[in-house]
Amino acid sequence: SQKIEQNSEALNIQEGKTATLTCNYTNYSPAYLQWYRQDPGRGPVFLLLIRENEKEKRKERLKVTFDTTLKQSLFHITASQPADSATYLCALPGGFKTIFGAGTRLFVKA
Amino acid sequence: EPEVTQTPSHQVTQMGQEVILRCVPISNHLYFYWYRQILGQKVEFLVSFYNNEISEKSEIFDDQFSVERPDGSNFTLKIRSTKLEDSAMYFCASMETTGGGGTGELFFGEGSRLTVL
Repeated sequence: SQKIEQNSEALNIQEGKTATLTCNYTNYSPAYLQWYRQDPGRGPVFLLLIRENEKEKRKERLKVTFDTTLKQSLFHITASQPADSATYLCALPGGFKTIFGAGTRLFVKA
Repeated sequence: EPEVTQTPSHQVTQMGQEVILRCVPISNHLYFYWYRQILGQKVEFLVSFYNNEISEKSEIFDDQFSVERPDGSNFTLKIRSTKLEDSAMYFCASMETTGGGGTGELFFGEGSRLTVL
């Protein structure tokens, strides 16, 4: 069955550093991959989409890479800020649904 | 900015009772979804809905669950006879179009927290 794996351990980094989050998937050949942000008690919010023919996508301080051979996406936040503290979800399309990974909790310390 | 709205924000019910959760998706969106998130766990797909019928449903979405779009604006999730394990945050989401041409971005509501006692 299709599986999405994200680092279940929380990631703690210092303000100003680059956060790198990993998403691995198996039994899947997605046309695109998405990243969402979720704050406690709130619904997920879409951040970025990267297509299978794109190696890298940037949006402000965010950068996403997509390696369809490794079946992996990396999500980077540069110059991180305490306001970036949240859970980041990797998501993949499948049929008439989007499937989410368990998310990685990011804490940015001032 | 258009948004998905959900009511109620929190509902407490007794086991065995029926619950209806309501959602108003973004008006020009065509695809509608319900997800749930048990506290501390992942966001899980329940059901997708397009053109007034279910497109896909998960194993969680058994005979106790149903969805309806009664009037062209509301989208409801009904749980016929709630169980303790139905306690979760239920998120409604809508999408304008699928990912082929657009971003496939899901717009989520703020959720309805269901507590079953």
